[in-house]
Amino acid sequence: DIQMTQSPSTLSASVGDRVNITCRASQTISTWLAWFQQKPGQAPNLLIYKASTLETGVPSRFSGSVSGTEFTLTINSLQPDDFATYYCQQTYGYVKTFGQGTKVEIK
Amino acid sequence: EVQLVESGGGLVQPGGSLRLSCAASGFTFSSFEMHWVRQAPGKGLQWLSYISARTGVTYYVDSVKGRFTISRDNAKNSLYLQMNSLRADDTAIYYCAREGPDDALDIWGQGTMVTVSS
Repeated sequence: DIQMTQSPSTLSASVGDRVNITCRASQTISTWLAWFQQKPGQAPNLLIYKASTLETGVPSRFSGSVSGTEFTLTINSLQPDDFATYYCQQTYGYVKTFGQGTKVEIK
Repeated sequence: EVQLVESGGGLVQPGGSLRLSCAASGFTFSSFEMHWVRQAPGKGLQWLSYISARTGVTYYVDSVKGRFTISRDNAKNSLYLQMNSLRADDTAIYYCAREGPDDALDIWGQGTMVTVSS
């Protein structure tokens, strides 16, 4: 199975900061990667699919990019509503493994 | 409104069984592949299982193979997860999720809690 290594596990940032979260796949998955946001007590919410396509309704301060097997979620100008946990998930095959998650905390 | 609603969670003893259900509404259920994902308390998301839209093809994470069975009834717009030989480490919130046209899980239920304890 494809393994996803996500970093960092925790990130402390301030409102207005630009933050980057990285996921590395254990093998080539082309652009088959999604990013989710999860807030406490809520189900995950799809932000980005196919590495860089923004889901409908997601603010444009979120963006995704890929270089080889390394994927990056960027949040430009962090807003108070963005403090949450973020997960990547490879969508290459039927077995869709998640990264370990990154908690974005208020500095 | 497109919606998934899970039910069937609860407290079960180690070695016991439980059947989770996921009721779909607001979309053509039979056209979409479906998944189960779980989240242990304070932990990350773990993908569990997949089922195809109409052909019954299924996949599982290794830790539940042989113990869990995913199924669906398209006539009832429902997805199921039969869980047998439950262990303490199966304690988690269980989510059903729809696989959208671009292979991402675009619609999620609110989750149902399963607690395995004596």
